[in-house]
Amino acid sequence: ETGVTQSPTHLIKTRGQQVTLRCSSQSGHNTVSWYQQALGQGPQFIFQYYREEENGRGNFPPRFSGLQFPNYSSELNVNALELDDSALYLCASSPGLASNNEQFFGPGTRLTVL
Amino acid sequence: KNEVEQSPQNLTAQEGEFITINCSYSVGISALHWLQQHPGGGIVSLFMLSSGKKKHGRLIATINIQEKHSSLHITASHPRDSAVYICAPPRGGGSQGNLIFGKGTKLSVKP
Repeated sequence: ETGVTQSPTHLIKTRGQQVTLRCSSQSGHNTVSWYQQALGQGPQFIFQYYREEENGRGNFPPRFSGLQFPNYSSELNVNALELDDSALYLCASSPGLASNNEQFFGPGTRLTVL
Repeated sequence: KNEVEQSPQNLTAQEGEFITINCSYSVGISALHWLQQHPGGGIVSLFMLSSGKKKHGRLIATINIQEKHSSLHITASHPRDSAVYICAPPRGGGSQGNLIFGKGTKLSVKP
């Protein structure tokens, strides 16, 4: 059974650029959640995808968008990058929407915006 | 007031000591996750609790749903337990998987 993987592990971009981060969910999981973790802070919920549809969104602007594919892998896209977007981006997969489902986290993508 | 409060924020212990980390929350539905984050950033799910107590090896987690309080205990602590421990209740509603993270408790266990 393959765990949650994310790519790339590290990324450096400049202000105004666009970035795409990728997440492969654990086998059998149809739900992917994305979180942003700024340095020294706890993760903040960006959005969640369930069976290819967005199912809830946190307090992030529209330039943060996502996709989920038929194999339940997911992408996070960020347009018009700002310095404050520098953070660790984590995805987590789970076998469904129930609140008592365990979430399995990937290793994260560390994004630096210069 | 933060939705999730953890205490202490930082904790230094000697190897072998019994550790307790507390979590109080004001939101979320009737479940709570305990997570461990190592310096490299990776997060590991330790427990998902909806009632009572769970035990995995040297880790014990308890929850009181009515009081919205949970504790994580580590028995016979070891330097490899050094990490940030985070409690996270799901917000519930339409995004049941939306976790609200506490700021975490940074644990350092000295040999």
